[in-house]
Amino acid sequence: NAGVMQNPRHLVRRRGQEARLRCSPMKGHSHVYWYRQLPEEGLKFMVYLQKENIIDESGMPKERFSAEFPKEGPSILRIQQVVRGDSAAYFCASSPSTSGLQSGELFFGEGSRLTVL
Amino acid sequence: QQQVKQSPQSLIVQKGGISIINCAYENTAFDYFPWYQQFPGKGPALLIAIRPDVSEKKEGRFTISFNKSAKQFSLHIMDSQPGDSATYFCAAPRRSSASKIIFGSGTRLSIRP
Repeated sequence: NAGVMQNPRHLVRRRGQEARLRCSPMKGHSHVYWYRQLPEEGLKFMVYLQKENIIDESGMPKERFSAEFPKEGPSILRIQQVVRGDSAAYFCASSPSTSGLQSGELFFGEGSRLTVL
Repeated sequence: QQQVKQSPQSLIVQKGGISIINCAYENTAFDYFPWYQQFPGKGPALLIAIRPDVSEKKEGRFTISFNKSAKQFSLHIMDSQPGDSATYFCAAPRRSSASKIIFGSGTRLSIRP
């Protein structure tokens, strides 16, 4: 499967625990985006990363949330001390170089659904 | 953050009818207007897109109409089928080196048999 791979697909955490969501972009894609989707709502941009660099994190909460895209391995979205309001579907998307930004085409994974009890 | 406003929030159409979803944008820095389709439990996927120098683009039963002066674009689904039932998002990417793609709030489309 050469698509965007996200794991886990479903994650349950208790309040105060940490959640780690992983995303492997499509082969050849060096740009990764994370979006959050609340139930019955649209996709909210969180962060845009290239390998080893955070390009735009303007949509990510300043506290408890962090993202990385290391030279080797998947991109990781980390949520510390989760609260019930963090329950959502988190989607990762990738694009090759800057073409995705200009053409509007992002390739999405199937999402990671976080439930905070 | 630039806004992309989408309507309606939900839509029910009879099989064979025309589904119309509208979007309005505020910022002229957008230069490409895609529509994404999302089925339950899946990630969004690009359906069709248009550049602003074109007023209409058609791919099969799907057509985008673009009105640059009104800053609006719409998706028309002709001969709507039950398999078209999904959530549709309009989007707009910004023309800058550190840009991101802004999505509308989504339209949940249901096609009745």
